[in-house]
Amino acid sequence: DTGVSQNPRHKITKRGQNVTFRCDPISEHNRLYWYRQTLGQGPEFLTYFQNEAQLEKSRLLSDRFSAERPKGSFSTLEIQRTEQGDSAMYLCASSLGATDTQYFGPGTRLTVL
Amino acid sequence: SQKIEQNSEALNIQEGKTATLTCNYTNYSPAYLQWYRQDPGRGPVFLLLIRENEKEKRKERLKVTFDTTLKQSLFHITASQPADSATYLCALDMASGGYNKLIFGAGTRLAVHP
Repeated sequence: DTGVSQNPRHKITKRGQNVTFRCDPISEHNRLYWYRQTLGQGPEFLTYFQNEAQLEKSRLLSDRFSAERPKGSFSTLEIQRTEQGDSAMYLCASSLGATDTQYFGPGTRLTVL
Repeated sequence: SQKIEQNSEALNIQEGKTATLTCNYTNYSPAYLQWYRQDPGRGPVFLLLIRENEKEKRKERLKVTFDTTLKQSLFHITASQPADSATYLCALDMASGGYNKLIFGAGTRLAVHP
């Protein structure tokens, strides 16, 4: 499968714990995006990478959230001191060029108890 | 800020009929408008993109229109099938800052009944 992959697919954690998600984009894509989606809503933009550079962060991305893409390939999204309000589907997408179609991964569903 | 409205209630139609979904937006027009399909527990899948200078785009049984005066896009599925049942998301592509910044609507759930 040469699509975008995300791991884990599901994560259940207790409030206050840290969690980390991984996204592997389509291999030749140098643009990578993270979104968050809550039930009944569309995805909301979180952050954008061009290669290893993080070029934009949404205001939704509080200080507890950090994203990296160290070698311009896979990316990680870490949430520290999770809160119940962080429960959502976290989606990763990648694109070849800046204005090309974004291809989404299956998402990681986070449940914070 | 940009607002996008899609039919919040589910659309129920009979197999073989044409489904029409609406996407309305406020404020300034995007460079592109995109439609995605999303199945439960899955990520969105890209369907069609239409540019601000295009009135209509077709792909197989799908048709999208874009009216920048009305600030509205319509998404049609002709000869609908139960397999078309899913949530359909409209996304405005602001193409700002040199990349595609997508702003999504909440989606419309379509149910096609045999």
